[in-house]
Amino acid sequence: GESVGLHLPTLSVQEGDNSIINCAYSNSASDYFIWYKQESGKGPQFIIDIRSNMDKRQGQRVTVLLNKTVKHLSLQIAATQPGDSAVYFCAETAGTASKLTFGTGTRLQVTL
Amino acid sequence: EAGVAQSPRYKIIEKRQSVAFWCNPISGHATLYWYQQILGQGPKLLIQFQNNGVVDDSQLPKDRFSAERLKGVDSTLKIQPAKLEDSAVYLCASSPGVGVGNEQFFGPGTRLTVL
Repeated sequence: GESVGLHLPTLSVQEGDNSIINCAYSNSASDYFIWYKQESGKGPQFIIDIRSNMDKRQGQRVTVLLNKTVKHLSLQIAATQPGDSAVYFCAETAGTASKLTFGTGTRLQVTL
Repeated sequence: EAGVAQSPRYKIIEKRQSVAFWCNPISGHATLYWYQQILGQGPKLLIQFQNNGVVDDSQLPKDRFSAERLKGVDSTLKIQPAKLEDSAVYLCASSPGVGVGNEQFFGPGTRLTVL
């Protein structure tokens, strides 16, 4: 219901620290995963993706880790900045279809 | 490069009224998606078009929601009649094609409030 949706998990980190955002997925057939960042009043923005044949992928200040055994995905943000404050979603898809299934999201708050 | 455009940005209606949203995808993108995002939740796919054909509408409440993409470019999503639980942000996204590697680009969304 809406009361559940309002209580987004929140991660609060200090500027300059590293952030780790976690995501559990349930579909063992999922083979492609994406992390999105959504700022207030905007649509989701692609951050980084990973295919199921990999367990780690690095981008600029971001790293995604995939553990297929426990169906767990994490996003690591190095040297977190105020501009990183947003809601972060993981999304998964299976096969060649583009249909993405999004998780519920985590709100990242960066304190000065 | 221009992004995905949506209008209106905000809409307030009373229940049982009708409403329509418009989306203009990124030029050249063959695939267009409509998502519903309820406050505090992740987006949920309503319908996916490939050019002007429907690829997936399994989660579209067809008794009240309809969508079209007649010329394979712009798209409209309509709700008739609206219910209170339709209050959400409606996001449009587009991608060059389908499958892995075809990044979806999202518009800013239309925030619908049903009173």
